[in-house]
Amino acid sequence: EAQVTQNPRYLITVTGKKLTVTCSQNMNHEYMSWYRQDPGLGLRQIYYSMNVEVTDKGDVPEGYKVSRKEKRNFPLILESPSPNQTSLYFCASSLFGGGINQPQHFGDGTRLSIL
Amino acid sequence: GESVGLHLPTLSVQEGDNSIINCAYSNSASDYFIWYKQESGKGPQFIIDIRSNMDKRQGQRVTVLLNKTVKHLSLQIAATQPGDSAVYFCAEMLNTNAGKSTFGDGTTLTVKP
Repeated sequence: EAQVTQNPRYLITVTGKKLTVTCSQNMNHEYMSWYRQDPGLGLRQIYYSMNVEVTDKGDVPEGYKVSRKEKRNFPLILESPSPNQTSLYFCASSLFGGGINQPQHFGDGTRLSIL
Repeated sequence: GESVGLHLPTLSVQEGDNSIINCAYSNSASDYFIWYKQESGKGPQFIIDIRSNMDKRQGQRVTVLLNKTVKHLSLQIAATQPGDSAVYFCAEMLNTNAGKSTFGDGTTLTVKP
């Protein structure tokens, strides 16, 4: 089954304790992206990657890191989480053949609570 | 000037009626637009898309209209069903060689039986 898998689905942690949210897709998609979703603010893009070893900032990259060492995985790293990073996070992927954007497939989300 | 629909944060319709959800996009350079549906507890799901060389595109029970002059997008759902109840988002991107993606404010659609 074609899917985007995020882990963990839920996490409660404390300020300053480094964490990684993993994202994996099995569709051989070139493009991957991370979003956060907050009430009243919709979905905001954190980082995206148009292919292996190519990453770029979205609208809200501060406090986050990403890496794209292989095509299927795009982990989101919070080096020193703070309470304002409490949010619902989504990973997405899409084809990007020929540099043409396509609809994104989303994971089911990771709810992070930073105390 | 042209009249376009307002974006509403919530929309309630009767089962069987048609629904129209509106979206104003922000970047006049955007040329690829996508509608997503998000059900409770799930990630957004692709519904239909349109590129700027078109002003209308139809799918199964859904139609997207694009008005580039006033930077407006709408999603029409025909014969709305209870399973259509969800939050609907529009998203804008550049068509090629750019990965920036901007989502609009969602509209919560409630279908009354």
